[in-house]
Amino acid sequence: ETGVTQTPRHLVMGMTNKKSLKCEQHLGHNAMYWYKQSAKKPLELMFVYNFKEQTENNSVPSRFSPECPNSSHLFLHLHTLQPEDSALYLCASSRSGTSYEQYFGPGTRLTVT
Amino acid sequence: AQTVTQSQPEMSVQEAETVTLSCTYDTSENNYYLFWYKQPPSRQMILVIRQEAYKQQNATENRFSVNFQKAAKSFSLKISDSQLGDTAMYFCAFMKRGGGGADGLTFGKGTHLIIQP
Repeated sequence: ETGVTQTPRHLVMGMTNKKSLKCEQHLGHNAMYWYKQSAKKPLELMFVYNFKEQTENNSVPSRFSPECPNSSHLFLHLHTLQPEDSALYLCASSRSGTSYEQYFGPGTRLTVT
Repeated sequence: AQTVTQSQPEMSVQEAETVTLSCTYDTSENNYYLFWYKQPPSRQMILVIRQEAYKQQNATENRFSVNFQKAAKSFSLKISDSQLGDTAMYFCAFMKRGGGGADGLTFGKGTHLIIQP
């Protein structure tokens, strides 16, 4: 059983829609991450949050807007996406400062039409 | 910036055989971690094994072991007595050891491993 959950598991949206992906971790971790997994490219780090503060933005377009209200929840707000944004979006968490293992959620399969 | 290269897009072996997956990386960092993650058809990423760069001893987890060659920047995964459940995508990943402890992973493109019955 994974300690990191993601909702929804599947999402289809039009280019003019606004939607949000949600990630929740039940592991008591302090750091959370968003990754993008496309068919033709390696997994790409998008954002890193440590103790609710964003510590890394990997040159992600502004149509992706992350939010981390507390150490257990992470959101990815989506607006005016492009078809090439269709991918599997993976959330992960880890304990910062003492550990380095990242635990992944099952992902959200996003299709932009 | 770091790069991770997995040169074997796909491998296929018979059940119970031993298989080795290759990974090379490039970095100017001296302190870092290396990982192998497994992603079965369910898409759930599962940590298989990790290696701290400062440790010379190769990591081992049951049937999984690594051959870590720091000077050559090579980090291969050996799976012994392979099982049908080992069928999955395997990703090699790099993480620099930062002070705050919250650093992202840099992944290779993956190797699709198929275990044949």
